[in-house]
Amino acid sequence: EPEVTQTPSHQVTQMGQEVILRCVPISNHLYFYWYRQILGQKVEFLVSFYNNEISEKSEIFDDQFSVERPDGSNFTLKIRSTKLEDSAMYFCARSAGNSGNTIYFGEGSWLTVV
Amino acid sequence: RKEVEQDPGPFNVPEGATVAFNCTYSNSASQSFFWYRQDCRKEPKLLMSVYSSGNEDGRFTAQLNRASQYISLLIRDSKLSDSATYLCVVNMNTGFQKLVFGTGTRLLVSP
Repeated sequence: EPEVTQTPSHQVTQMGQEVILRCVPISNHLYFYWYRQILGQKVEFLVSFYNNEISEKSEIFDDQFSVERPDGSNFTLKIRSTKLEDSAMYFCARSAGNSGNTIYFGEGSWLTVV
Repeated sequence: RKEVEQDPGPFNVPEGATVAFNCTYSNSASQSFFWYRQDCRKEPKLLMSVYSSGNEDGRFTAQLNRASQYISLLIRDSKLSDSATYLCVVNMNTGFQKLVFGTGTRLLVSP
């Protein structure tokens, strides 16, 4: 059983369109993350989120990206105006705590921008 | 120098073989270390944490050498199901957890 449920599993979108990827953590963990993996490349950190605020973000996470947890359950990643290079697998992850706790990944959302 | 560096492989081994993967990391302030396993187009799954004293989980043994900034994974008695990409992962823990991944080492176990 996945630790984190992500939707959609696969989305194809046109360049310039907005995309929202969703994540539903099964447990009551408070720390959430988004990572991405471009095909054939390594997994890269995007952003960490705690207590309804961004705690850290990478250089990749520019102004076209945003995260929120609007209803206290779903955790979303929005890409405002998609580019071809945004095509990747996006993984939501969670952990029980901040320090030294294992990070568990969802099954991923595969985004294809055409 | 890459933050986390691994030999991409692939390592082709027969069933029953012993295989070892190595990994180096550049930031001496790194806090914790892991091996994750990733199957094709799937999410990374935690295989094991890595401790300075070394740790073993069944056929898998992980070692950490902080002085050399070096991490290893040994797989004994390889199974066909071990075929996957093995990701060396370092937790920077800069106030909040941030995993830095290597590119992964691909293992192919053949009958």
